[in-house]
Amino acid sequence: DAKTTQPTSMDCAEGRAANLPCNHSTISGNEYVYWYRQIHSQGPQYIIHGLKNNETNEMASLIITEDRKSSTLILPHATLRDTAVYYCIVRDLYNFNKFYFGSGTKLNVKP
Amino acid sequence: KAGVTQTPRYLIKTRGQQVTLSCSPISGHRSVSWYQQTPGQGLQFLFEYFSETQRNKGNFPGRFSGRQFSNSRSEMNVSTLELGDSALYLCASSLLGQAYNEQFFGPGTRLTVL
Repeated sequence: DAKTTQPTSMDCAEGRAANLPCNHSTISGNEYVYWYRQIHSQGPQYIIHGLKNNETNEMASLIITEDRKSSTLILPHATLRDTAVYYCIVRDLYNFNKFYFGSGTKLNVKP
Repeated sequence: KAGVTQTPRYLIKTRGQQVTLSCSPISGHRSVSWYQQTPGQGLQFLFEYFSETQRNKGNFPGRFSGRQFSNSRSEMNVSTLELGDSALYLCASSLLGQAYNEQFFGPGTRLTVL
């Protein structure tokens, strides 16, 4: 299973874009990149996922490099409610539940 | 559409007891997975059920078991509780349990073993 590396914490001003990087240099061709976030004591919340193309939904955008070794989650206009721990994981197409859920990035959105 | 619900939200047990946790997936979702989250080990996969059958299993002892009912609701049971079983137990549902399906987590059950 590919492992992910993320910065421990990041700060972002309210209203600005938050760009959260993730390194997954050992990702294999059949592994998806998923992003979740978790607010203290709540279950992880799904944000977005992708295989190799950039993806966008109502919450965020996911930019995956061409070699797929890294990705960036973009929250276009961060709000105080976006303060959470953000997890980047890779999930195997054929072993859906075998994945590595690392320590994540604590995003602090400040007024 | 209602989200994944888990009951109870909080539970306190003593060593040696057994516990049953319940999970109701999002309507229409057939895959239910269970995870254990602890500060030291992070999020770890327990098992996944699909159409009442256990389809995947993580590396946990036999004290941890589960089942899924015909309405896709799932229960998880832990017997002979140990102090190390104290954790947040999360349930997640997915339409078909495939990698391209979104997986939605419930709020979790916080289990404390004394």
